Amino acid sequence: GEDVEQSLFLSVREGDSSVINCTYTDSSSTYLYWYKQEPGAGLQLLTYIFSNMDMKQDQRLTVLLNKKDKHLSLRIADTQTGDSAIYFCAEKYRANAGKSTFGDGTTLTVKP
Amino acid sequence: DTGVSQNPRHKITKRGQNVTFRCDPISEHNRLYWYRQTLGQGPEFLTYFQNEAQLEKSRLLSDRFSAERPKGSFSTLEIQRTEQGDSAMYLCASSFEDSTGELFFGEGSRLTVL
Repeated sequence: GEDVEQSLFLSVREGDSSVINCTYTDSSSTYLYWYKQEPGAGLQLLTYIFSNMDMKQDQRLTVLLNKKDKHLSLRIADTQTGDSAIYFCAEKYRANAGKSTFGDGTTLTVKP
Repeated sequence: DTGVSQNPRHKITKRGQNVTFRCDPISEHNRLYWYRQTLGQGPEFLTYFQNEAQLEKSRLLSDRFSAERPKGSFSTLEIQRTEQGDSAMYLCASSFEDSTGELFFGEGSRLTVL
């Protein structure tokens, strides 16, 4: 079955880069997502990547996908205190599939 | 449109009581999803609708849980005979079928079963 694994915590200094990692087990996953959850708020999509891509960049965010190792990473450049949140990796085996499988989230703490 | 709306935001109930949560999705979205999230874990899929049809239910979904979306707009999630293990945040999300699969989440309804 599907499984998505993430490290639980990451702490960085303001201005540094943050790298959040995710591994998934379902080789048929075609869409991979990063969501952000701030305290008391719902999850919000940050970015996504298709399985036919290796990299996607969106302003301060860079997503890297290694399909061979089933490894996904999210890099946040110039991390700010406002980036402190929980980051969830999620996968779908196709875009219009109903179910998304989420990891347990990585809590990012940004210290001034 | 103000996004996905969920009510109530917080419900405290005694074990054995029934509770119902409501979700109003983004109006142009034809898909609606229910997820459950417990502390320290990611959202766990419960069920989803496309228009008024319930297309998938998690095997983990107990018979005490029932969801409806009678007119293809808002949805309700009812939990009968609540147990302490049902305490969690219940998240609703919506999306448009022909999209990249992005989910738009509400802020959730927190259930506390005493």
